[in-house]
Amino acid sequence: DTVLTQSPALAVSPGERVTISCRASESVSTLMHWYQQKPGQQPTLLIYLASNLESGVPARFSGSGSGTDFTLTIDPVEADDTATYYCQQSWNDPTFGSGTKLEIK
Amino acid sequence: EVQLVESGGGLVQPGRSMKLSCAASGFTFSNYGMAWVRQAPTKGLEWVATISYDGSSTYYRDSVKGRFTISRDNAKSTLYLQMNSLRSEDTATYYCTRVEDAFDYWGQGVMVTVSS
Repeated sequence: DTVLTQSPALAVSPGERVTISCRASESVSTLMHWYQQKPGQQPTLLIYLASNLESGVPARFSGSGSGTDFTLTIDPVEADDTATYYCQQSWNDPTFGSGTKLEIK
Repeated sequence: EVQLVESGGGLVQPGRSMKLSCAASGFTFSNYGMAWVRQAPTKGLEWVATISYDGSSTYYRDSVKGRFTISRDNAKSTLYLQMNSLRSEDTATYYCTRVEDAFDYWGQGVMVTVSS
């Protein structure tokens, strides 16, 4: 299985720029996607194929990367962005990162 | 509007069976692959199984192979997950998802608790 590694938690202030990283144990090309999960809710898709913004998602969210290193950027961060963010690869059997919990100070 | 509504969860004893359903609406169900993703309490997301748009191909994570079966009825726009020989480690919220490059739409989830 392809293992995806994310930092466990981040805390930032509203208006700041935040980057959330995801490292794959092997190259997944650009077959990487990002999800947001707010407490008690189902996940929602933010970014697909590394850098494509899902319809309806604010342009404050962006994604980049290829191969093994990927980044989700939120700029500027808003209070409503408090959530856990997951990366997921579809190069082979789908796997998810362990999630990065984002706290807005 | 795309809607995915899961049903069929609850409390089940270890070793017993349970069948989940997912009613889809708002899109042409027969054009899309579908999948189940689960989340154990306070844990992360875990892919369980995927089925192709026409049901001809299915894929499973190793820990459920031989115990779980994903299927679909395109005439009813419904996805299923038959779960046999359930174990305590199968306790989770199970989400029905549509597959389009990524998992682009998710249901609200249904809780499955495996306990005696």
